[in-house]
Amino acid sequence: EAEVAQSPRYKITEKSQAVAFWCDPISGHATLYWYRQILGQGPELLVQFQDESVVDDSQLPKDRFSAERLKGVDSTLKIQPAELGDSAMYLCASSNGQGHEKLFFGSGTQLSVL
Amino acid sequence: AQTVTQSQPEMSVQEAETVTLSCTYDTSESDYYLFWYKQPPSRQMILVIRQEAYKQQNATENRFSVNFQKAAKSFSLKISDSQLGDAAMYFCAYRRETSGSRLTFGEGTQLTVNP
Repeated sequence: EAEVAQSPRYKITEKSQAVAFWCDPISGHATLYWYRQILGQGPELLVQFQDESVVDDSQLPKDRFSAERLKGVDSTLKIQPAELGDSAMYLCASSNGQGHEKLFFGSGTQLSVL
Repeated sequence: AQTVTQSQPEMSVQEAETVTLSCTYDTSESDYYLFWYKQPPSRQMILVIRQEAYKQQNATENRFSVNFQKAAKSFSLKISDSQLGDAAMYFCAYRRETSGSRLTFGEGTQLTVNP
């Protein structure tokens, strides 16, 4: 079965540094989601793309977070500057955006901010 | 806004026994989907089971089944013949019927399976 690819798997950074995460969705999936999961909690949506367009970024801290999906395929999520509270798992998911679609999740990027 | 509540932070079950995880949700929509996801220590989200709100019949997937009570906005997961590999964090999730809409997750229930 095709998978959602994410990299890096782990990232350790210092406070105030910039970090970036990459996601490659399943081929043909128009909808891409970035979720943040704090340890012991459920994932929360940060941003949702339909092709290259952002359809929901209401929970994205726009002063420090940015996301792009320039060609409507892979996506990058950036944090600048990183803060201690950003330590979390960042999950990417994709779906074909049609009807009763299933969301496919990647393995995530575990971020630790020191 | 839709909310999903899981009132059991932790549950445990003996191997081969049955356990039920609870979930309630709040929505004003009439059409939606409900899900249970499993997240093992690898942190990979794995879909366990899905329920369409318009279906009265409860979904089943092998040892996993749900008790969907639409009027009560309740959606519990029953795991029969529990196995050691079932140990994981379980998340209940809601999604509107609109194509491409987001998943809203509960806080999760950590399931331990004792040999």
